[in-house]
Parts: sequence; C-alpha cells; structure tokens
Amino acid sequence: AQSVTQLGSHVSVSEGALVLLRCNYSSSVPPYLFWYVQYPNQGLQLLLKYTSAATLVKGINGFEAEFKKSETSFHLTKPSAHMSDAAEYFCAVSREIRDDKIIFGKGTRLHILP
Amino acid sequence: EAQVTQNPRYLITVTGKKLTVTCSQNMNHEYMSWYRQDPGLGLRQIYYSMNVEVTDKGDVPEGYKVSRKEKRNFPLILESPSPNQTSLYFCASSLSGLINEQFFGPGTRLTVL
Repeated sequence: AQSVTQLGSHVSVSEGALVLLRCNYSSSVPPYLFWYVQYPNQGLQLLLKYTSAATLVKGINGFEAEFKKSETSFHLTKPSAHMSDAAEYFCAVSREIRDDKIIFGKGTRLHILP
Repeated sequence: EAQVTQNPRYLITVTGKKLTVTCSQNMNHEYMSWYRQDPGLGLRQIYYSMNVEVTDKGDVPEGYKVSRKEKRNFPLILESPSPNQTSLYFCASSLSGLINEQFFGPGTRLTVL
C-alpha cells in the first residue's frame, strides 16, 4: 500500500531564505504526487502535482518540487520565503493503478521568521 | 462563483444521535470525496465517488455512510456518532479523478460528546 512520510512536523525559516519541505513516498512508483497548502481556518489548496510528464514541477506562489525516483522523494522548495507562506503543507500520493484514492502525509507547518 | 459548500460548519452533538453533513458543488464535477483532519494525523480519506451512484471506501470508512444520488451532492452520514469521530471534516470535488485539481470546501468541525 502507498504511504507518505513528511520529515518534520514543524519547519522554521527566515524571511527571504530557502524553503525546503521534505516528502518521501513508499517504493512503488505512484501515478500522481501532490503538494497541498492549508492556510489557517481554510480548506486545502493545490500547490502542484506530478503526473509523470516532467520530474521538475512548478506550482503556484513560486513553489516547485522535484520527483526523484531513486530517492522516492518529492521535496517542495521555494527560493525565497515570504511571510505569507506561513501555513501547513501536505504531501499526498495517489494509489498505484487507479487515480481515485489519495493518501496524505501528516503535514508540515511552516513558520516564517521576520 | 464556483465553490464547494458544506453544512453545517460547526456541529456539537451527542453519542448515538444520527447526523448528516451536506456537501454540494456547482462545478459539474464527477469526482467527490470526504476527508477527516485530526492533529498530527493529516488528512485521511473516508469515502470517495467517481460519479453518480458510484462510491468507494477510503482509508477510514468505519462509522460513516455516503450516497451520490445527484452529481452535485455528496452527503456524509454518521448513523451513530461516537466521540472518536470528533474531527474536522472536508469535502472536495474535481472534474474527473485525482489528475484534476481537487477543490475543497471550508470544513465542518464536529464535536461528539
């Protein structure tokens, strides 16, 4: 069965610094990988998704993620953090064969330090 | 405005009293799904529906029921709620499966005493 591990339940970075949020999935190659963001008291919003078209995926708000099969990773990065990036981020993976079931990681809360 | 709506937004109830949380989308989406969010556990999928009259279990379906009689509506039913179902619930929809972006509702905070 698919599983997702997000390293670090809380990550703090200074404004203007690199943001790196880590995500590893179980060894079987999934059809789709996702990063979602949740701002306080809101539902989730899709940041980006990997669908095997390209290993480097660009998303909204300057975020991007790279699919690395050899490392079973899909880490999320942003070159320069803004205060508005403070939120909780979830990595997710779809089931191997069909795209109807999704497994979420436990989330990483990103804190931006002034 | 394209949106997913959930009602109620907040609900406090007692053990065993049947309740329904409604979810409706106005985007003609085929795929709809319910999730629960608990601190430290992330989101877990309860049930999903690929289209009208087609539903399937997610990872945590025990204690929940769903139906999809119309394309726009996907209610979540708790026949006999228990305290361990106290959680934040989200409904989401997408055009057709997970390859398309899921749009999430605002959430329903449920407390079962």
